[in-house]
Amino acid sequence: EAGVAQSPRYKIIEKRQSVAFWCNPISGHATLYWYQQILGQGPKLLIQFQNNGVVDDSQLPKDRFSAERLKGVDSTLKIQPAKLEDSAVYLCASSLERPRNNSPLHFGNGTRLTVT
Amino acid sequence: QQQVKQSPQSLIVQKGGISIINCAYENTAFDYFPWYQQFPGKGPALLIAIRPDVSEKKEGRFTISFNKSAKQFSLHIMDSQPGDSATYFCAASWSRAGTALIFGKGTTLSVSS
Repeated sequence: EAGVAQSPRYKIIEKRQSVAFWCNPISGHATLYWYQQILGQGPKLLIQFQNNGVVDDSQLPKDRFSAERLKGVDSTLKIQPAKLEDSAVYLCASSLERPRNNSPLHFGNGTRLTVT
Repeated sequence: QQQVKQSPQSLIVQKGGISIINCAYENTAFDYFPWYQQFPGKGPALLIAIRPDVSEKKEGRFTISFNKSAKQFSLHIMDSQPGDSATYFCAASWSRAGTALIFGKGTTLSVSS
C-alpha cells in the first residue's frame, strides 16, 4: 500500500509570511494527525482528526495555525504569520481506526520548515 | 502528568551489544506504550508496542519490559547492529479515551562496528 504522502518536502520562508502543508493519508485511514517535531525533540501533537471532524486541537496555536480535512481524506495545515520558533518538521500521520483500538500510526516523511 | 520522560538522550553501543532505553510516565490512565524508530529524513515507524496487562513483549531482537508499579518501561535491543543506528521514541496514550500518542524526546542510538 502507498504510504502517507506529504508535500512540500522542504520550505524556507521569512518570518511573518504564510505557508501551507499538504497531507494525503493512507487510503481508508479514518484518523489523521499533524505533529510538530522540533530538532532534537519528539513529535508533539498539533491536531487530530477523526474522518473530517476535529477530535483534539488543544495544542494548536490557533492564533496562527489552522488545519482542515476536506471530505475526510486529504488535509492541509497552514501557518499565518510564521514565527522563527515555528522552524520544525511537520509530520502527518494516519491510522486505520480510532486510537482506542491501538491502530499503529503511519507517518509521512514530513515537511521541513525553516523560518528566517 | 502528560509527559513521557525518556533517557538517555544518546547512546553508543558496540556491535553485538545490548542497547537499553528507558521511559517513565506519570499518568496512570495511560494504557498503550509503543516504541517508534526514526531514521534521518524519514518519519517515525512503529517498532513494538505493549499494553499494561503484560510485563514483557518480545519481537525478534527487540523487547519491551514494563513495570506498572514503577510507571516505567524500557526497550532492549539485543545483538545491536549498525543498521539499528537511529533515533528511538517511546510514547504513551490513553487509548480508551481516544487520545493521541504523547512522545518522549528521543534517544539517538549509534551502533559502532
